[in-house]
Amino acid sequence: AQRVTQPEKLLSVFKGAPVELKCNYSYSGSPELFWYVQYSRQRLQLLLRHISRESIKGFTADLNKGETSFHLKKPFAQEEDSAMYYCALRGGGNKLTFGTGTQLKVEL
Amino acid sequence: DARVTQTPRHKVTEMGQEVTMRCQPILGHNTVFWYRQTMMQGLELLAYFRNRAPLDDSGMPKDRFSAEMPDATLATLKIQPSEPRDSAVYFCASGLPRQPQHFGDGTRLSIL
Repeated sequence: AQRVTQPEKLLSVFKGAPVELKCNYSYSGSPELFWYVQYSRQRLQLLLRHISRESIKGFTADLNKGETSFHLKKPFAQEEDSAMYYCALRGGGNKLTFGTGTQLKVEL
Repeated sequence: DARVTQTPRHKVTEMGQEVTMRCQPILGHNTVFWYRQTMMQGLELLAYFRNRAPLDDSGMPKDRFSAEMPDATLATLKIQPSEPRDSAVYFCASGLPRQPQHFGDGTRLSIL
């Protein structure tokens, strides 16, 4: 069985502060991990996938197989980063398992 | 910029009524997914198609929900009869094997 855990429902930070959104997963095989972002009342958009190892909008995420984690980080939060962030895992097949999401609120 | 198109964007109806939600996947994508998003449960996978064939609908209440792909350009999700607890945002996503899924704007459903 595959499982994704996002322990924080809400994360509130000040503008310019570092951000870390936590994601832990459970999967017996070799997973593929993603971060999706959903701005207010909009569609989910792909933010990052671990195999591409890129930085999007200043966000990065590193897959740590030892800790089974894929935390999302940004050194300096911006107001426009306020959104819902979902971590997702793809194991066998094409099915995605999503975490429950973390609402990021960036305050001025 | 190719997009997944969902209709209607909003639907308000009374309990007991039939609800049909439609999704046009991105041209060329052969996998289609239906998700339900609620405050309590987050995102739940309801059904999953590949090449129009249902591969997994274990997340879908079978007694009232049905999902079909009459052709490669249309996926439908029906609820009959609808109940207030079905109120949620329903997302469709499409993709290719081993590629990220692309989501539609969702249908915001309210059952009174």
